[in-house]
Amino acid sequence: KQEVTQIPAALSVPEGENLVLNCSFTDSAIYNLQWFRQDPGKGLTSLLLIQSSQREQTSGRLNASLDKSSGRSTLYIAASQPGDSATYLCAVRYNQGGKLIFGQGTELSVKP
Amino acid sequence: GAGVSQSPSNKVTEKGKDVELRCDPISGHTALYWYRQSLGQGLEFLIYFQGNSAPDKSGLPSDRFSAERTGGSVSTLTIQRTQQEDSAVYLCASSHSGTDTQYFGPGTRLTVL
Repeated sequence: KQEVTQIPAALSVPEGENLVLNCSFTDSAIYNLQWFRQDPGKGLTSLLLIQSSQREQTSGRLNASLDKSSGRSTLYIAASQPGDSATYLCAVRYNQGGKLIFGQGTELSVKP
Repeated sequence: GAGVSQSPSNKVTEKGKDVELRCDPISGHTALYWYRQSLGQGLEFLIYFQGNSAPDKSGLPSDRFSAERTGGSVSTLTIQRTQQEDSAVYLCASSHSGTDTQYFGPGTRLTVL
């Protein structure tokens, strides 16, 4: 069964810290992987998409890496800010069929 | 440009009633997806439309759920004879193709009393 797991489920850090969110997937034959953030009561905002042939993608203070062989992706957030507080979701696409399989998310709280 | 829009934002209904949820994708996006987000289950795929191809309905939980996409644009998700376990946030997403970044709407929160 194709499953996506995110650890930890919740994380609280002081402002300014660098942090890493983890995502693992059971089937390494992925097509691509996407990271989202979700604010309370809102929809999902796409952060980064990594194709299976790529090792990492960067956008501003965010860096996502992909290691297909070990079935892992990490989202690195540099110099965290209170505005980064949200739930971060990892989602995997396994073929061109389009559907995403989501992890349960990591709820991040950045304290001022 | 405009993002994905969904209506209504909130829907409260009585058990046994039918409901229709609407999604307007980003203009020009050929792929459209419906997902459901509930407390116990996380985010689950429901159905996927790509152009004129037959939709992927593999995520629909029962035959009470159906969806259509008219003219390759707007989509409607219909739930017949609603049950309390149907209570969830229903999210719609669209993308340029079946492999690109998916952009999500704000969702419709459905409460079945």
